[in-house]
Amino acid sequence: RKEVEQDPGPFNVPEGATVAFNCTYSNSASQSFFWYRQDCRKEPKLLMSVYSSGNEDGRFTAQLNRASQYISLLIRDSKLSDSATYLCVVNMRQSGGQNFVFGPGTRLSVLP
Amino acid sequence: ETGVTQSPTHLIKTRGQQVTLRCSSQSGHNTVSWYQQALGQGPQFIFQYYREEENGRGNFPPRFSGLQFPNYSSELNVNALELDDSALYLCASSLGVQEVWGYTFGSGTRLTVV
Repeated sequence: RKEVEQDPGPFNVPEGATVAFNCTYSNSASQSFFWYRQDCRKEPKLLMSVYSSGNEDGRFTAQLNRASQYISLLIRDSKLSDSATYLCVVNMRQSGGQNFVFGPGTRLSVLP
Repeated sequence: ETGVTQSPTHLIKTRGQQVTLRCSSQSGHNTVSWYQQALGQGPQFIFQYYREEENGRGNFPPRFSGLQFPNYSSELNVNALELDDSALYLCASSLGVQEVWGYTFGSGTRLTVV
């Protein structure tokens, strides 16, 4: 089983739609969680951290369920500019150090 | 405050050659992590340097090596290049290894091996 798995995608949605991305992780000792956004041929950029209590930033809502080892990202009222690949990232303590483990990403296309 | 900068932005090498990629960390950051991102995949952790010492390594062969300098800039060296090494190489810096606020990435070096 991969350390971090995400919905395979791609997701094609119309403007204004609500879309949800799911992510699961295998290491129960994982300590922190993030969603990154990556535009085509660009570097990943931090979208938001994910807290146990859930957190919201404008149209974006992130949830964490430690018992199920599951993270989600909800985008409401999607815009054309939301089109990108969304990467789930889990910060794990591994033997020999700590590192961020990225999921494979889910591509979103918001259509006019 | 300067961000993370990487050089070169693009590079074409021949199979069997060696390459050195460079990363200047964000001001005040003492930790640098390197990732390889193949087309259509998520970034894969190569290794991390903290205060000039390797602080963790992913599942990459020894021909991938690194270095961190006293100013916390870093190099990634790859020997005996293979076609599968073609990827976007990303560098991220952070303040300390207990990074809970997320990494800031440089814009990457796109390496093509022919």
